[in-house]
Amino acid sequence: ETGVTQSPTHLIKTRGQQVTLRCSSQSGHNTVSWYQQALGQGPQFIFQYYREEENGRGNFPPRFSGLQFPNYSSELNVNALELDDSALYLCASSQPGTGLGYTFGSGTRLTVV
Amino acid sequence: QQQVKQSPQSLIVQKGGISIINCAYENTAFDYFPWYQQFPGKGPALLIAIRPDVSEKKEGRFTISFNKSAKQFSLHIMDSQPGDSATYFCAAEGFDDYKLSFGAGTTVTVRA
Repeated sequence: ETGVTQSPTHLIKTRGQQVTLRCSSQSGHNTVSWYQQALGQGPQFIFQYYREEENGRGNFPPRFSGLQFPNYSSELNVNALELDDSALYLCASSQPGTGLGYTFGSGTRLTVV
Repeated sequence: QQQVKQSPQSLIVQKGGISIINCAYENTAFDYFPWYQQFPGKGPALLIAIRPDVSEKKEGRFTISFNKSAKQFSLHIMDSQPGDSATYFCAAEGFDDYKLSFGAGTTVTVRA
C-alpha cells in the first residue's frame, strides 16, 4: 500500500507567476484535500475533491483552483502568485465512511520571491 | 478566525516526563477530534483520535482526554522520549463536514 506522494518537494517562483502542484492519493482513497501551512502555523483548508468535483472550499481566493483525475490523483493550481503564498502545501487523501481519517503527504514547499 | 485554540505554543520536558497539550473549540457540530504529529520537512501524521461519546482514549504512551461540556480536549504524552520531539496539532471535524480545522500547533522538545 503506498502513501500520499506530492511533487515537486520544493520550488521557487516569482511573484505573478503560476504554479501547479501534484498529488497522488493513497491506494483505495477517492477523496483528496489540499491544505496550506504557513511557517509556524497549523494547516488551513483550501478545498476538497471527490469524484472529480470540488466538494468544499475554504477561505481562499479563486486564483487557487484544483483538479481531480479519474485515478483520484489531483493538482493544485495557483495563479498570480503573491509573496504571502509562500508556504508548505499539503495534500491529504481519505476514504469517507471508513473512519480512518486523512493521510497527508510530505508537502510541497513553495517560495515566492 | 481559528475554530480550535491550542496551548501552549511550545514546551520543554525532560526524558521520562509527561507532556500535556490543551485544545478548546466552540463549534458543537464537531464530532471527530484527531491529534497529528509533524516532524520537520514532513506532513502531519495521525497519532490518535477520539469521538465525543468517550471521555478518554489511550494508545500506548498517548492519551486523549475529552470534556464535552467544557468543549476541551487534551493530549498527554507519558514517559516522553527524545523521539517524541515534534510539533503536535489538535484538529476537529464535524459530521458531514469535509475539512479539518487545526490548532496552531505545539512544539514539544524532549531533553535527554
